Amino acid sequence: GIQVEQSPPDLILQEGANSTLRCNFSDSVNNLQWFHQNPWGQLINLFYIPSGTKQNGRLSATTVATERYSLLYISSSQTTDSGVYFCAALKEGGKLIFGQGTELSVKP
Amino acid sequence: DTGVSQDPRHKITKRGQNVTFRCDPISEHNRLYWYRQTLGQGPEFLTYFQNEAQLEKSRLLSNRFSAERPKGSFSTLEIQRTEQGDSAMYLCASSPQGWGNEQFFGPGTRLTVL
Repeated sequence: GIQVEQSPPDLILQEGANSTLRCNFSDSVNNLQWFHQNPWGQLINLFYIPSGTKQNGRLSATTVATERYSLLYISSSQTTDSGVYFCAALKEGGKLIFGQGTELSVKP
Repeated sequence: DTGVSQDPRHKITKRGQNVTFRCDPISEHNRLYWYRQTLGQGPEFLTYFQNEAQLEKSRLLSNRFSAERPKGSFSTLEIQRTEQGDSAMYLCASSPQGWGNEQFFGPGTRLTVL
């Protein structure tokens, strides 16, 4: 089945800095999603982006489907951006395959 | 807001007991998914339904686990004879029908087996 790898596993930033999180996937996909997991464990949808580029405020994402990777950009980071970011991919059926996550810590 | 809801939010049980969790999807979504997440890992797929039909089950879903969606609306996940290894966050998601549609997650049920 499809494999999803995220990098880096951990990231520490000073407030105001920018960051890029990467997600590599091993096969063509019909769905690619980015999530932020809050401290209570809920997965918050950030982007549904099987291809192309989207922006939402300080966050943007780009998926290059032909090269099998996706990037999540966080600009002007805030302490509230801290947490774990997951990407997840789906090739067929209903099974989203998640990466191991990137744990982001933004220091004031 | 009528997002995905799950009940209970937390469950503590003793080894060997049975537990049942409920998930209510977004009302117009006919696909419903169950995932399990252990500490430090990403969520892992367990099973999914389209309306009342269970279309796919993971090998993670041992014979102690059973999921139902009898009327194509809410779903239940039952774990029989719980083991300490079942301790995890159980996440439910829903999506509209269609290939690769965006999945929306509920708040999860955190299970602790003593």
